[in-house]
Amino acid sequence: AQSVTQLDSQVPVFEEAPVELRCNYSSSVSVYLFWYVQYPNQGLQLLLKYLSGSTLVKGINGFEAEFNKSQTSFHLRKPSVHISDTAEYFCAVSEGGNTPLVFGKGTRLSVIA
Amino acid sequence: DAGITQSPRHKVTETGTPVTLRCHQTENHRYMYWYRQDPGHGLRLIHYSYGVKDTDKGEVSDGYSVSRSKTEDFLLTLESATSSQTSVYFCAISERNSLTGELFFGEGSRLTVL
Repeated sequence: AQSVTQLDSQVPVFEEAPVELRCNYSSSVSVYLFWYVQYPNQGLQLLLKYLSGSTLVKGINGFEAEFNKSQTSFHLRKPSVHISDTAEYFCAVSEGGNTPLVFGKGTRLSVIA
Repeated sequence: DAGITQSPRHKVTETGTPVTLRCHQTENHRYMYWYRQDPGHGLRLIHYSYGVKDTDKGEVSDGYSVSRSKTEDFLLTLESATSSQTSVYFCAISERNSLTGELFFGEGSRLTVL
């Protein structure tokens, strides 16, 4: 069965500093990988996704993630964060075919001025 | 934005009372899901539907039932609410014929069981 581990529950970072949010997954088959963002008191929205092809995926708001099959990881990065990036970030994995997404427990990113 | 409406958005109820949450979509998507979100647990799947009258259990289905009599509506029922069901509930939909599992979420329904 597929599973997702987000290695950090909280990540504080100063404004304009780089950030990496870590995600590891386990699955016995090929997977599709997603990062979702949840701003305070809102639903989740898609940040980026890896389906196939290039392992470096670019998303909205300057975020990017790299799929590493050998390390079963899909870490999210941003070179320079803003206050507005303060949110909770969820990594998710799917084995496709409309099998339900499995989510990690989330990483709360706090950007400090 | 995907047309997903959850109702009610906020509800306070007492232990032992029945509660029904509604998810309504205007996208004609085949797949619909109910998740709950709790601190330290992320999102956990309760039930999902892959068509009218076709539903299946998720990871945390005990104490919940669902119904889908029309494509656009997916109802989540707590027959007898307990304090452990205090949570934020999210409905999500998945595009017809999608092979990628991408979900579109509603705004959430915050339920407090006293």
